[in-house]
Amino acid sequence: QSALTQPASVSGSLGQSITISCSGTSSDIGGYNLVSWFQQHPGKAPQLIIFESSRRPSGVSSRFSGSKSGNTATLTISGLQAEDEATYHCCSYVGNYSLGVTFGGGTKLTVL
Amino acid sequence: QVQLVQAGGEVKKPGASVKVSCKASGYPFTKFYVHWVRQAPGQGLEWMGMINPNGGRTGYAQKFQGRVTMTTDTSTSTVYMELGSLKPQDTAVYYCARDPKNSRLDHWGQGTPVTVS
Repeated sequence: QSALTQPASVSGSLGQSITISCSGTSSDIGGYNLVSWFQQHPGKAPQLIIFESSRRPSGVSSRFSGSKSGNTATLTISGLQAEDEATYHCCSYVGNYSLGVTFGGGTKLTVL
Repeated sequence: QVQLVQAGGEVKKPGASVKVSCKASGYPFTKFYVHWVRQAPGQGLEWMGMINPNGGRTGYAQKFQGRVTMTTDTSTSTVYMELGSLKPQDTAVYYCARDPKNSRLDHWGQGTPVTVS
């Protein structure tokens, strides 16, 4: 059982916007502004798309945005494209060394 | 460019140990923590632990305490993760990931499949 809670699946049509929620506690998401989101295509390694809850690494499309309120983080993908179909994982900092990070169970996005 | 290159897959018997390597290049090796994350078939990501290559300090998830050891070889810029007392439930793809700050995990290895059977 994952420490962070994500919906198992979401879907959206080409060009639409979708959101993926990630719920935690005051010990993880709520305690730090350090939520990351990763995109993972089948058979590939995860790729960072959002860090520090709302910042995008260079090279990541501006269609991806993140936010956080209380113990819940949200990933928004606007203008859905076919290549956005993937699994999205949220991740929160919990502490240094033996506390590390915790992940959600992953959300499979289907683009209709 | 930053690269984390992992060794090929392994097949092990229950009770054995596996040692997975992760060779870093394209950045100052000792300035970035490295995490290990695994993914069982069809499952989500699971954090195993982390190591600071500058001095070798480690931190392991409670679930793996006593069974996992992470080490570094600064002469070859390689990080190792050894998992012992393997069980079939340890069958997974094992990833290493670089951490520039606050567990950002900005670059990942390609993954090493480990099968315990």
